[in-house]
Amino acid sequence: DTEVTQTPKHLVMGMTNKKSLKCEQHMGHRAMYWYKQKAKKPPELMFVYSYEKLSINESVPSRFSPECPNSSLLNLHLHALQPEDSALYLCASSPGTGFHNEQFFGPGTRLTVL
Amino acid sequence: QKEVEQDPGPLSVPEGAIVSLNCTYSNSAFQYFMWYRQYSRKGPELLMYTYSSGNKEDGRFTAQVDKSSKYISLFIRDSQPSDSATYLCAMSAPPGSYIPTFGRGTSLIVHP
Repeated sequence: DTEVTQTPKHLVMGMTNKKSLKCEQHMGHRAMYWYKQKAKKPPELMFVYSYEKLSINESVPSRFSPECPNSSLLNLHLHALQPEDSALYLCASSPGTGFHNEQFFGPGTRLTVL
Repeated sequence: QKEVEQDPGPLSVPEGAIVSLNCTYSNSAFQYFMWYRQYSRKGPELLMYTYSSGNKEDGRFTAQVDKSSKYISLFIRDSQPSDSATYLCAMSAPPGSYIPTFGRGTSLIVHP
């Protein structure tokens, strides 16, 4: 299995809702990432988990809460989002955090906040 | 000056053309270079990655790194309409700095 899967593909939520994005990989990768991507912009790093521990939080607002239940799964919990949070949310994984750090991306979740 | 510069395009070419996509960078510590292809509203797909300088070929794609000029290229031979996408370069400075820095992407249109 050489892919990263993400669910759901699309999500529409109101500003008072709580929802979660899910990501899964079975490549044995030890680092997993959440990115946010706006139209015509490169991906913007949000969080990094290395060996199931949060290693980087790029000053993301607390309405985004990551979780790594095990080495294959990554969640992003969403609460009280704003319309400007509407974007494509990408999960990625990489073999490690040393020389082999090429990232493999999932298809993304397109989030719309009303 | 941004760490990674990439012309956003769009670059429009006829089917069958050789396409050259390029990025320049300013951080001399970068030594791991990646190219991604991203179709509209999809996640980026890793096309190729190279370590340090030199060329790497995979089918119709060739990645080239010139560290002395801080310049990387992706060549696509015999371009097809299905190659129409945004191409992102990314680079990192392992082992200490493994998070890639992305270029803004070049939009490529291959017309029949």
